[in-house]
Amino acid sequence: AQKVTQAQTEISVVEKEDVTLDCVYETRDTTYYLFWYKQPPSGELVFLIRRNSFDEQNEISGRYSWNFQKSTSSFNFTITASQVVDSAVYFCALRDGGFKTIFGAGTRLFVKA
Amino acid sequence: DTEVTQTPKHLVMGMTNKKSLKCEQHMGHRAMYWYKQKAKKPPELMFVYSYEKLSINESVPSRFSPECPNSSLLNLHLHALQPEDSALYLCASSQETGGFEKLFFGSGTQLSVL
Repeated sequence: AQKVTQAQTEISVVEKEDVTLDCVYETRDTTYYLFWYKQPPSGELVFLIRRNSFDEQNEISGRYSWNFQKSTSSFNFTITASQVVDSAVYFCALRDGGFKTIFGAGTRLFVKA
Repeated sequence: DTEVTQTPKHLVMGMTNKKSLKCEQHMGHRAMYWYKQKAKKPPELMFVYSYEKLSINESVPSRFSPECPNSSLLNLHLHALQPEDSALYLCASSQETGGFEKLFFGSGTQLSVL
């Protein structure tokens, strides 16, 4: 069975701190896809990044970076120099070749000024 | 246009009412989804339409009835709901239904059932 675990329910940081959101996944598939979505208070989930199971290359996009390690089944997300606008719920998600996206429970990030 | 538009944004209904939620996208996406999200929980898949045909029904009670009139529109008809059905209902779309497809979400309809 597929499963996504985000052990951190809530994280609170002060602006300009770095913060890492953890994601651990389980799947028996050899081909799968991992995603991160952000849900601000407005409600809509916003796509941040996707990775397929054959691409372990880490990625950096501005203040955001992602570390994918198949050996530990982890796909962690780091925000460098956090800002108040980063306050949101962040979901890690897993999808096989089909229709269904499995979301983790989400991590609520509070960034205080 | 990279938006998924949902109406209404808020809905309050009684248990005997019939109402509908509407979702629209003009990105040419061929897959559309309904998700239900309770407070402080992740979204849960309800239905998937692929090329205007229902592909997945995640054992959703029949008081929820989806409809896909065309490739741009997705409706969710509600009838005889229960208070526990109160939640944020999110519509999403993707270009295709393959695993690599990212989802584009609307901002949701916050539903309260009294």
